Amino acid sequence: DTGVSQDPRHKITKRGQNVTFRCDPISEHNRLYWYRQTLGQGPEFLTYFQNEAQLEKSRLLSDRFSAERPKGSFSTLEIQRTEQGDSAMYLCASSWGQKNIQYFGAGTRLSVL
Amino acid sequence: GQQLNQSPQSMFIQEGEDVSMNCTSSSIFNTWLWYKQDPGEGPVLLIALYKAGELTSNGRLTAQFGITRKDSFLNISASIPSDVGIYFCAGQPINAGGTSYGKLTFGQGTILTVHP
Repeated sequence: DTGVSQDPRHKITKRGQNVTFRCDPISEHNRLYWYRQTLGQGPEFLTYFQNEAQLEKSRLLSDRFSAERPKGSFSTLEIQRTEQGDSAMYLCASSWGQKNIQYFGAGTRLSVL
Repeated sequence: GQQLNQSPQSMFIQEGEDVSMNCTSSSIFNTWLWYKQDPGEGPVLLIALYKAGELTSNGRLTAQFGITRKDSFLNISASIPSDVGIYFCAGQPINAGGTSYGKLTFGQGTILTVHP
């Protein structure tokens, strides 16, 4: 399978705990995006990497959120001191080239109790 | 922030019927995309549109990029039960020097139910 891979698929945590999600993009895709999707809504942009450089962060990404892409390949998204409002589906997408079509992973569903 | 208005919010149709949904924006987009999402899964790309006025088909799906670059529609012909899901439009802004390259803005989605 050469698509975008996300791990874990589901995460249940207690409020106040830290969680980390991983995204493996399609091989050789140099751009990687994180989105958050709540029930009944479309995905909302969180942050974007080109290679290892984080080029943009949304206002949705509070200081409890941090994302990395240390070698320009896989990326991690960490949420510290989780809150119930962080419960959502976290989606990763990757792309390359001028047309920049984004292909999405299956997402990580986070439930904060 | 920038938003896309997608309509209708939901549709209940009989198998074999045609479906039409659309998206409008207050801003211009460089690219319009249509995705389908099944429960618990990520969005899957259906059609990508790159030029104003462009009409593109993918099997029973047809989508158009509006002339004003502020709207797009998706048609599904002869619907079948596996068309059930949530359809999202997404707009990709003009590249502003690379810092916002490809950031997608999504509509709220159209929930499609097909009765056999």
